[in-house]
Amino acid sequence: AQTVTQSQPEMSVQEAETVTLSCTYDTSESDYYLFWYKQPPSRQMILVIRQEAYKQQNATENRFSVNFQKAAKSFSLKISDSQLGDAAMYFCAYLYGNSGYSTLTFGKGTMLLVSP
Amino acid sequence: DTEVTQTPKHLVMGMTNKKSLKCEQHMGHRAMYWYKQKAKKPPELMFVYSYEKLSINESVPSRFSPECPNSSLLNLHLHALQPEDSALYLCASSSQGYVNTEAFFGQGTRLTVV
Repeated sequence: AQTVTQSQPEMSVQEAETVTLSCTYDTSESDYYLFWYKQPPSRQMILVIRQEAYKQQNATENRFSVNFQKAAKSFSLKISDSQLGDAAMYFCAYLYGNSGYSTLTFGKGTMLLVSP
Repeated sequence: DTEVTQTPKHLVMGMTNKKSLKCEQHMGHRAMYWYKQKAKKPPELMFVYSYEKLSINESVPSRFSPECPNSSLLNLHLHALQPEDSALYLCASSSQGYVNTEAFFGQGTRLTVV
């Protein structure tokens, strides 16, 4: 069974600074996807960034980037130039799919606090 | 349209009531999911429908009854719930197949059982 571990229950950052959220996972599969989801108080789960395991290049989306270390099974999220709107719960998730559907395994989440 | 729409947004029900949660998507996705999320916890998978057929039931109590009437609609029928069933219920959908399997989530229904 796949597991996802987020060891930081809460992180704090000041506006305009950079913060890194950690995530490790365990799987015996070679092809899979990894995601970071953001869930603000509005409770909508918003996809921040995704990484395909077969791609060596780290994914980047504007101020968000990942450090994907496949051998170490590590998938950290870096947020640059943090903004107040980045404050939310962040979930790391592992996805494995088949021809009919896919299932997400979530970490326990990291609450990100952003101060002015 | 990349939206998953859930209704109602909030629901308060008694333990003897029967109610239903509704989820709709028009992205052509053939896989739809129900998740339950307690406060400050990750979502927990309850049910998976693939091509309108129930593919996964994660040992969910029978007081939760899912239904997929067509490829765009997913319902969750609730009956004789307990206070511990109070939670945020999230619906999600994804395209079938292994490629491009990003899951799109609705805003959820906040359920309170009294």
